[in-house]
Amino acid sequence: DAGVTQSPTHLIKTRGQQVTLRCSPKSGHDTVSWYQQALGQGPQFIFQYYEEEERQRGNFPDRFSGHQFPNYSSELNVNALLLGDSALYLCASSLGPGREQFFGPGTRLTVL
Amino acid sequence: GESVGLHLPTLSVQEGDNSIINCAYSNSASDYFIWYKQESGKGPQFIIDIRSNMDKRQGQRVTVLLNKTVKHLSLQIAATQPGDSAVYFCAETSPGGAGSYQLTFGKGTKLSVIP
Repeated sequence: DAGVTQSPTHLIKTRGQQVTLRCSPKSGHDTVSWYQQALGQGPQFIFQYYEEEERQRGNFPDRFSGHQFPNYSSELNVNALLLGDSALYLCASSLGPGREQFFGPGTRLTVL
Repeated sequence: GESVGLHLPTLSVQEGDNSIINCAYSNSASDYFIWYKQESGKGPQFIIDIRSNMDKRQGQRVTVLLNKTVKHLSLQIAATQPGDSAVYFCAETSPGGAGSYQLTFGKGTKLSVIP
């Protein structure tokens, strides 16, 4: 049984570019949450998707957007990249919005 | 503002000793707390959780203590092993709509086990 998978593993972009990160939830899970983890910090909640809708959002600008597909997989899009967007982006899935979250290995984004 | 923080950023312990990692939280409305372990290059891994109606919960070699009076959490690891070396985060949950919740993580404590 595959756990949460994320792609790509690493990504390098330049300021002003746009990026799309992908997440496949653990088998049977229908809820996906995204977190940003800066170096040396704890993860920060970006948003949560359930039933293809954004259900809850953290304190992130509109440059951060997402999508959930009918198969429960999800994408995180970041527009107009800033140097400060460099971080590890974590996806977590759960069996319902209020249940235990299982984390993927993350995508390391570097903005130059 | 509301925050979850840790008292010690780093902790070194001898293999076989017990480890105690502390965490302070400030949101008195938080009713559910989780400890995560994050190894290098991996995502956080659930260790143990506790609800606010409890003050202690035990797992395999781990115990979480909750003191609501002073808004303090601790994670105790018995007989610490080299494989316990990692960064440990406490997280509190804030309830959202439709039964959802978001996790608010502290900064983390790096545990190093000396063989």
